[in-house]
Amino acid sequence: GAVVSQHPSWVICKSGTSVKIECRSLDFQATTMFWYRQFPKQSLMLMATSNEGSKATYEQGVEKDKFLINHASLTLSTLTVTSAHPEDSSFYICSAREGMRNTEAFFGQGTRLTVV
Amino acid sequence: AQTVTQSQPEMSVQEAETVTLSCTYDTSENNYYLFWYKQPPSRQMILVIRQEAYKQQNATENRFSVNFQKAAKSFSLKISDSQLGDTAMYFCAFSRANAGGTSYGKLTFGQGTILTVHP
Repeated sequence: GAVVSQHPSWVICKSGTSVKIECRSLDFQATTMFWYRQFPKQSLMLMATSNEGSKATYEQGVEKDKFLINHASLTLSTLTVTSAHPEDSSFYICSAREGMRNTEAFFGQGTRLTVV
Repeated sequence: AQTVTQSQPEMSVQEAETVTLSCTYDTSENNYYLFWYKQPPSRQMILVIRQEAYKQQNATENRFSVNFQKAAKSFSLKISDSQLGDTAMYFCAFSRANAGGTSYGKLTFGQGTILTVHP
């Protein structure tokens, strides 16, 4: 099956700093990637849709200047949390869709971000 | 906009027994996909089963089967012969289908149901 790798698995950063999370499709070309956020014991909420070579589409209420998304290649999308604050602490999960596959997007293993 | 509702925050079942998780959804789309995902403590999202809306036959995957009622907008998951490894949070999810019949991949999730399988 298709593999999506997310890095890092966990990260701790100081308040006010920025942190970058990578999402890679290892064995397919991901025309579209999705970024979700999940608080403990809660559901996954879509933050943005990332299409290769174009600007990301953000969901309502998501600050695009705070959560920078770049999808510069068909195998890599990055999410940068800028000027992180403790309230940004959460679990971030990416998924990737290959243009020719017709049934599902494949999930990375997630990144636990803790801002101290 | 689509909504997905899981009204059971927590469920428990004895090992080897059967349990059914409920999901309802609302959409004005005619063709779409429905999914059940499992999220164990590792938090890796694992696809359990999927259903394409235009297919009337209920999907099955080994011990997992769904009861898809399109008119009622209901999509329940039945787990037979429950195993300890089935303990996880389960999410029902919705995805629109494009004109070619493929899923957009963008998912709307329900609130989740924590399932505990007891020995």
